[in-house]
Amino acid sequence: EEELVEYGGGLEQPGRSLRLSCTASGFTFEDYAMHWVRLAPGKGLEWVSGITWNSDTLEYADSVKGRFTISRDNVKNSLHLEMSSLRVEDTALYYCVKGAAGGIFDCWGQGTQVTVSS
Amino acid sequence: DIQMTQSPSSLSASVGDRVTITCQASQDISKYLNWYQLKPGRAPKLLIYEASNVEVGVPPRFSGSGSGTDFTFTISNLQPEDFATYYCQQYHNVRGTFGPGTKVDIK
Repeated sequence: EEELVEYGGGLEQPGRSLRLSCTASGFTFEDYAMHWVRLAPGKGLEWVSGITWNSDTLEYADSVKGRFTISRDNVKNSLHLEMSSLRVEDTALYYCVKGAAGGIFDCWGQGTQVTVSS
Repeated sequence: DIQMTQSPSSLSASVGDRVTITCQASQDISKYLNWYQLKPGRAPKLLIYEASNVEVGVPPRFSGSGSGTDFTFTISNLQPEDFATYYCQQYHNVRGTFGPGTKVDIK
């Protein structure tokens, strides 16, 4: 069974950094693009960042470009999101998502909570 | 960037009703439009992919149609477990964009 487990969330102050990670199992991780999607309180789903299977292409939402960095390790079946210069508006539940062909987000983790507050 | 709009933003319906949600893309996305269900405390769930294909294990009362810029999502015979928020999503060059969501609640 395909599974994604996120960790690394927590409470952090504005301007500080946080690193999220996601471990994948049950599928051939290196075959798929991977993404981060977030759900802020009272808001809708927001795509945050995506990375191709071989890390050739990295994409970011305008709201996080220049502050967040996505990466992956196909040996360790892991996905990461380095978050810097955190803002209060980055407060959200962050999901790790598998991207099947055509951008179909067919497997989601349970999410890790990030709270940015002074 | 491709922008997505959804309507309505919310609706109230009764068990057994037929519910229709529309999604519009700011430019032609062919058939590359997916629909997800989000319930509180649960991870989002893929329901429909590539506009009209029902994901394995999803009940046939869920359906989708459309291509280009205009898409429709329908729940026929609404069930109690269908009260949730629904999102459309497009994908282009490793970038995904969600619509703002449609909350379906009990009338």
